[in-house]
Amino acid sequence: EAGVTQFPSHSVIEKGQTVTLRCDPISGHDNLYWYRRVMGKEIKFLLHFVKESKQDESGMPNNRFLAERTGGTYSTLKVQPAELEDSGVYFCASSQGTNWGPQHFGDGTRLSIL
Amino acid sequence: AQSVTQLGSHVSVSEGALVLLRCNYSSSVPPYLFWYVQYPNQGLQLLLKYTSAATLVKGINGFEAEFKKSETSFHLTKPSAHMSDAAEYFCAVSRLISGANSKLTFGKGITLSVRP
Repeated sequence: EAGVTQFPSHSVIEKGQTVTLRCDPISGHDNLYWYRRVMGKEIKFLLHFVKESKQDESGMPNNRFLAERTGGTYSTLKVQPAELEDSGVYFCASSQGTNWGPQHFGDGTRLSIL
Repeated sequence: AQSVTQLGSHVSVSEGALVLLRCNYSSSVPPYLFWYVQYPNQGLQLLLKYTSAATLVKGINGFEAEFKKSETSFHLTKPSAHMSDAAEYFCAVSRLISGANSKLTFGKGITLSVRP
């Protein structure tokens, strides 16, 4: 089966611009998660979708971040406007329903804000 | 609240030597524990997981971990290191909430180097 796919793999933008990251989960996985790793820090949770609903968005840093998962398939994470501190690697993960299937991670999007 | 402590940022071993990567957790409810590995320019790959079954968990690539409730630990071991084990390793904790898999809380990660 295809794994979790993230696009783009790298993005370099200037402060104040807008960037949209995309995640395609493994087919049939209801759970979709976004995480972020800022350089030198631990990987931190951003939010969790169950199908198209936001189950937990407690990790979203501020209202410049908007995540969507229309139709319960792929998800997008938009940062508008981007700030310097938003630089880092953004990971997406997906898992099956409620049977403790593990979270499968994508390769991440490396976001650099100049 | 849950948290994970991975002491140190870097471990270096000789090829063929024992690998021991330490992880201690804090959780107010029975935890689910995981070890992930990240090879350069790749995503995180699950090595093994503990979800309240056997306390000694075997994973891929010869790794195993033992859940010790009394010590709140979940250390990762491998009897004999291989050059291909060089990577960054993450310990993570989670819990089941209302039947749904909840978020992972990660440690800071530890980089394993293997000397020839």
